[in-house]
Amino acid sequence: SQQGEEDPQALSIQEGENATMNCSYKTSINNLQWYRQNSGRGLVHLILIRSNEREKHSGRLRVTLDTSKKSSSLLITASRAADTASYFCATVSSGGGADGLTFGKGTHLIIQP
Amino acid sequence: DADVTQTPRNRITKTGKRIMLECSQTKGHDRMYWYRQDPGLGLQLIYYSFDVKDINKGEISDGYSVSRQAQAKFSLSLESAIPNQTALYFCATSALTNGEQFFGPGTRLTVL
Repeated sequence: SQQGEEDPQALSIQEGENATMNCSYKTSINNLQWYRQNSGRGLVHLILIRSNEREKHSGRLRVTLDTSKKSSSLLITASRAADTASYFCATVSSGGGADGLTFGKGTHLIIQP
Repeated sequence: DADVTQTPRNRITKTGKRIMLECSQTKGHDRMYWYRQDPGLGLQLIYYSFDVKDINKGEISDGYSVSRQAQAKFSLSLESAIPNQTALYFCATSALTNGEQFFGPGTRLTVL
């Protein structure tokens, strides 16, 4: 089952604009991670935010986490053509049990030059 | 050199055949994972291993088995492949419980 749901499923913007993607999840989490996947390739880790954190920055990336709403957002500022990819949120549950990440279906981001 | 490698990168096989996908890592991580990705979907966990003596089922383990031959090697087998196992398969490693994972380039498997 998919824990996270990204919104929107697809996003097309002009180079230089900001891109915002949202993720909602269902259960209590230990942390939430964002990954990028270029077409047909392996996933690359972007950022991890813990359940007791509300905001985190890494370069042009800004992630927020609202545990009361079970949601997160990823903001990419000043987008570039190279940012074209699919972006996935993935959660680590806090309740123990199975290890591993639970992924959403992803947002496909297209940056128009 | 890539830290997490997968072989083969592409494989076409027929229904009923046995197939093995291999994963090797040079990161020195204890934790290794196998995921599958279907078109338009996120990844789903098949199996994971904390060390060579520890194997655990993920959410979609039916029809698959794994072997952890060494800390650096984790193989996924399909004993009798079926068409709905056509997917992209990823291996991943992690140094920490609940930490970031490092993914291999994937194996594209087609079962005819």
